Amino acid sequence: DTAVSQTPKYLVTQMGNDKSIKCEQNLGHDTMYWYKQDSKKFLKIMFSYNNKELIINETVPNRFSPKSPDKAHLNLHINSLELGDSAVYFCASSQVFTVYGYTFGSGTRLTVV
Amino acid sequence: KQEVTQIPAALSVPEGENLVLNCSFTDSAIYNLQWFRQDPGKGLTSLLLIQSSQREQTSGRLNASLDKSSGRSTLYIAASQPGDSATYLCAVTQGGSEKLVFGKGMKLTVNP
Repeated sequence: DTAVSQTPKYLVTQMGNDKSIKCEQNLGHDTMYWYKQDSKKFLKIMFSYNNKELIINETVPNRFSPKSPDKAHLNLHINSLELGDSAVYFCASSQVFTVYGYTFGSGTRLTVV
Repeated sequence: KQEVTQIPAALSVPEGENLVLNCSFTDSAIYNLQWFRQDPGKGLTSLLLIQSSQREQTSGRLNASLDKSSGRSTLYIAASQPGDSATYLCAVTQGGSEKLVFGKGMKLTVNP
């Protein structure tokens, strides 16, 4: 299936731990994103990468570090997890400035305890 | 700074009603507008995308319109069904940026 897939779907971890979320798209898109959906369900962009180059970094703590080994993959590593990092993290992809818009992954629910 | 507003935040209707969901944005210099659906605990499903040069798009029982000059879009759902129950999100991209700016969504409940 053509899709944006992210793993894991659920992640429960203790404060202070380091964790990673992986994302892959097989749509041939050139741009990938991380969005955060907070407890009030509000979605906000964190990062975007175009052809492995960081394009958008929206005032995200530097404990969050995205890495794009190639244009089909965008991973998110989070150091020293805090309670406030609990949220749903969505990966998405698009082909810049085309008519097709965004495709989102199914999300990773991160719970920090 | 672009802001997207969706009012009301929630709507509960009986099955069969025709619905209009509203979205407004503060900066009319958008590249496109996209409507999404989110089911509880799930990801976002794209419903319709309207480019800034277009006035409307249709898919099945859904019709989305765009009035860029007034900063408004509406999503029309014909003959609503219980399966339409979900949160509907409106989002815009600005010219020169692929960043999606989302509204806070509207939770729709269609009662059988």
